[in-house]
Amino acid sequence: EAGVTQFPSHSVIEKGQTVTLRCDPISGHDNLYWYRRVMGKEIKFLLHFVKESKQDESGMPNNRFLAERTGGTYSTLKVQPAELEDSGVYFCASSRSGLASGANVLTFGAGSRLTVL
Amino acid sequence: RKEVEQDPGPFNVPEGATVAFNCTYSNSASQSFFWYRQDCRKEPKLLMSVYSSGNEDGRFTAQLNRASQYISLLIRDSKLSDSATYLCVVTHAGGTSYGKLTFGQGTILTVHP
Repeated sequence: EAGVTQFPSHSVIEKGQTVTLRCDPISGHDNLYWYRRVMGKEIKFLLHFVKESKQDESGMPNNRFLAERTGGTYSTLKVQPAELEDSGVYFCASSRSGLASGANVLTFGAGSRLTVL
Repeated sequence: RKEVEQDPGPFNVPEGATVAFNCTYSNSASQSFFWYRQDCRKEPKLLMSVYSSGNEDGRFTAQLNRASQYISLLIRDSKLSDSATYLCVVTHAGGTSYGKLTFGQGTILTVHP
């Protein structure tokens, strides 16, 4: 099966600009997660979609970040306006529904590296 | 205090060596435990789940001590291809965000010829 696909792989923008990251999960995976790793820190949870619904967005840093998953397929994460501290690698991951089916077994995408100058 | 703490290393070992990584977690309600592996500039990949009874997968052995809130990973007969960052990961009980993972900062392993 195809893996989790993320686009772009690398984006360089100036402070104040807008960037939209896209994630295509594995087909049939209802759960979609966004994580982020900033320089020198551990990978941190941002939010969780179940199909098109936000299940948990407790990790979103602030209201400059907006995530959507229209139709329950691909997801986008928009940062507007971007700040210097938003630089890092944004990972998307997906999993099946139900703990017995491996809901806690995540497949990660290769990540989108964001550099804000 | 970080929720999941690991010795960042780096660990530099020769091929064939045995190396052990340790990890502690602070939330006693943590429910599931994993070791992930991350190669340089790549995504994290699940290496193995960790069960209370301990489990083995080839050259890799994972142990969990719930009383001490401690997780370990042992790699025997190290290969050059084992060079990577090893991430200790936990999830918490309750709710339905089974994939809401809490990561440690990772332990860097370099295996040299």
